[in-house]
Amino acid sequence: KAGVTQTPRYLIKTRGQQVTLSCSPISGHRSVSWYQQTPGQGLQFLFEYFSETQRNKGNFPGRFSGRQFSNSRSEMNVSTLELGDSALYLCASSFLLAGAADTQYFGPGTRLTVL
Amino acid sequence: AQKVTQAQTEISVVEKEDVTLDCVYETRDTTYYLFWYKQPPSGELVFLIRRNSFDEQNEISGRYSWNFQKSTSSFNFTITASQVVDSAVYFCALSEADGGATNKLIFGTGTLLAVQP
Repeated sequence: KAGVTQTPRYLIKTRGQQVTLSCSPISGHRSVSWYQQTPGQGLQFLFEYFSETQRNKGNFPGRFSGRQFSNSRSEMNVSTLELGDSALYLCASSFLLAGAADTQYFGPGTRLTVL
Repeated sequence: AQKVTQAQTEISVVEKEDVTLDCVYETRDTTYYLFWYKQPPSGELVFLIRRNSFDEQNEISGRYSWNFQKSTSSFNFTITASQVVDSAVYFCALSEADGGATNKLIFGTGTLLAVQP
């Protein structure tokens, strides 16, 4: 079974631009979560989607948004990029067990550099 | 509030040494889940183990073993006879069940393990 895939793997943008990152979950997984990893803040939860609905959101400004499609693929968007948005963005998918926290499997990440 | 503490920032060992990575967590829930992930230089987080709060049995998988102790809120990870390929950053993470309302992971700051040949 193929793992979680993320595109693009590397991205360079300039301040003020916007960016869209894509994530394809493991086949059969319906929950997709996004995390930001930076040297200063570590791994931080951005948001989680299930059945095209955002279930939970981390403490990030409104410039960070996401969505999920009917095939469970997900995109996240960052508008008006700032230097501090430079990070590794990781997507994770899970099957989602009822009433439990399921194991999340991570993709290789998208390395975003904002100049 | 939920919190995961990995006090060891970096550990350096020589190949074949045993090494233990510490993880201490805080949560107000009685039902929660603990995880360990490995992040090699490539960047991808690799799942190692998932434990729920009702299962305090220690687990061994090859050279890896995990010691879960609710009394001390710890979930430590031991690598026996370490190898160079074990070099990576290891993250401990916590997720509260919250009635299944969330899959959010709270990560520790990670421990960088360097295994020297």
